[in-house]
Amino acid sequence: DAKTTQPPSMDCAEGRAANLPCNHSTISGNEYVYWYRQIHSQGPQYIIHGLKNNETNEMASLIITEDRKSSTLILPHATLRDTAVYYCIVRLHGANSKLTFGKGITLSVRP
Amino acid sequence: KAGVTQTPRYLIKTRGQQVTLSCSPISGHRSVSWYQQTPGQGLQFLFEYFSETQRNKGNFPGRFSGRQFSNSRSEMNVSTLELGDSALYLCASSVTTGATGELFFGEGSRLTVL
Repeated sequence: DAKTTQPPSMDCAEGRAANLPCNHSTISGNEYVYWYRQIHSQGPQYIIHGLKNNETNEMASLIITEDRKSSTLILPHATLRDTAVYYCIVRLHGANSKLTFGKGITLSVRP
Repeated sequence: KAGVTQTPRYLIKTRGQQVTLSCSPISGHRSVSWYQQTPGQGLQFLFEYFSETQRNKGNFPGRFSGRQFSNSRSEMNVSTLELGDSALYLCASSVTTGATGELFFGEGSRLTVL
């Protein structure tokens, strides 16, 4: 699986959009970009995934650049409960269900 | 529907002992994966089971083993415990192996080795 690079931390104000970047410059054509988050002492929670096109669900939006070398997870209206570690993962479908987690980015939402 | 259930949630063992952790996947899910999380190494993949067969294995010593039963429930075992085995052990389930979409994680079993 391709390696991802994320800044170690960022913060944003409650109610504002949180834009979390991720670089995956060695991603191959059939690898998907996944985002998970882990709130303190809980199991990771799936947020969203995509291949080429931008994706949106009730939790977030995923913007993938045209060359697919980077992506941005957008939480449109961050709340204090969104404070967590966010993991960007590149994953190949079909072979197995293994996720390779990096260090993630710690998002702190301030009041 | 019920989520992934892991038992026990917390346990304390001493060096040299062994431990067995249990994971009940979401009903209908046949793939179960195990992960170890420590402050130093982060989240690391241990192994995945599908249809009672190990499908993939991470870089852990043979002291770490697992199995899956016909009802998809899974157990992992760590023998001859070491201090470094203290960690949060997480189980994740999915409908099938290699599927698209999300893996569902349990709350984990926190093991402390003294």
